[in-house]
Amino acid sequence: SQQGEEDPQALSIQEGENATMNCSYKTSINNLQWYRQNSGRGLVHLILIRSNEREKHSGRLRVTLDTSKKSSSLLITASRAADTASYFCATDGGSNYKLTFGKGTLLTVNP
Amino acid sequence: GAVVSQHPSWVICKSGTSVKIECRSLDFQATTMFWYRQFPKQSLMLMATSNEGSKATYEQGVEKDKFLINHASLTLSTLTVTSAHPEDSSFYICSARPGDFATNEKLFFGSGTQLSVL
Repeated sequence: SQQGEEDPQALSIQEGENATMNCSYKTSINNLQWYRQNSGRGLVHLILIRSNEREKHSGRLRVTLDTSKKSSSLLITASRAADTASYFCATDGGSNYKLTFGKGTLLTVNP
Repeated sequence: GAVVSQHPSWVICKSGTSVKIECRSLDFQATTMFWYRQFPKQSLMLMATSNEGSKATYEQGVEKDKFLINHASLTLSTLTVTSAHPEDSSFYICSARPGDFATNEKLFFGSGTQLSVL
């Protein structure tokens, strides 16, 4: 079963606006990761947050993690048309670093 | 950064034939590789985990005789879809985890293979 569940499923915004995507999961984790996928391509790792961390930044990305609520959010600030892609959260809870991916959020940034 | 090359990018084949997809780590050794299947506008479904030099571990519901995985070296894993049928048409993606501890928590993905079975 899918561990991560993102919402919204789809998000359409204007260039320059911020985009927020949320992810919920069900079991305990070692870390939570966010990936990006352009249409018809592989995934690219964006950011990793460990279970003992609450917030992390990387460029225009900000990730938060609330282990008590089993949820995470990804904020993309000052969005660009090139940010248009699907974004997936993935949880790592096991010893083989096997990631379980959520259903993803399709972000469309309109120029 | 680490690069994973997946080949071919797309393949069209006739029903009943077998198709091999290659996944190579170009600049690192991958002790573990993962194979996923993705349907349009859906998430990635893990098919199997392959460890170099040992048998692959398949997820529940994935037919090991249908999807043959070989990970004979630290830089190459292959997925062979045997006797392909139209329902096997999908986007297949591989990922690899580097062997060193410093970077082995995140995965590096190939660009995917779109398989169409006629």
